[in-house]
Amino acid sequence: DIQMTQSPSSVSASVGDRVTITCRASQSVTSWLAWYQQKPGQAPKLLIYAASTLQSGVSSRFSGSGSGTDFTLTISSLQPEDFATYYCQQGHSFPLTFGGGTRVDIK
Amino acid sequence: EVQLVESGGGLVQPGGSLRLSCAASGFTFSSYTMNWVRQAPGKGLEWVSYLSSGSTTIYDADSVKGRFSISRDNARNSLYLQMNSLRDEDTAVYYCARSSGSHLSLFDSWGQGTLVTVSS
Repeated sequence: DIQMTQSPSSVSASVGDRVTITCRASQSVTSWLAWYQQKPGQAPKLLIYAASTLQSGVSSRFSGSGSGTDFTLTISSLQPEDFATYYCQQGHSFPLTFGGGTRVDIK
Repeated sequence: EVQLVESGGGLVQPGGSLRLSCAASGFTFSSYTMNWVRQAPGKGLEWVSYLSSGSTTIYDADSVKGRFSISRDNARNSLYLQMNSLRDEDTAVYYCARSSGSHLSLFDSWGQGTLVTVSS
């Protein structure tokens, strides 16, 4: 199974900050990587797929990069609605696996 | 607008069974691969099962293999998860998730989830 490791597990930031979350796969997933946002009590929402492609309707302050084993989600200027937990997920091979999540909260 | 509505969750004793349903609308259900993903209370996301549009390809997580069975009825725009031999560790919110049309192993739409509690 491919293990997905996210860091940090939590980050405190202020509105307007640039936030970077990393995700590392235990083996190459090429570009089969997605990022999801989940707010308390809500279902996850797809932000980025294929490592760097922005899902339709998602703000351009979100961006993704990377390939192989190392990936990054960047929020360019944190907004109040961005405080949430973020998960990466590999779609390269079954079983499909998620990272442990990164909680972004208010500093 | 894509809508996925799960139902069928509840309290069940260890060893019991439960059948979850997911009603889909707003898209051509029969053309999309579908999945179940779960989330234990306060924990992260865990993929459970994958079912292709024509029910020809199924993948299950090892943690549910032999106990859970995914199925669909394209005429009824519905996805199902039959859960048998339930264990305490199966307690979770279960989400129905649609696979992206271009990337079948990534999830572009999710339902709001249904809570399954396994406890005596």
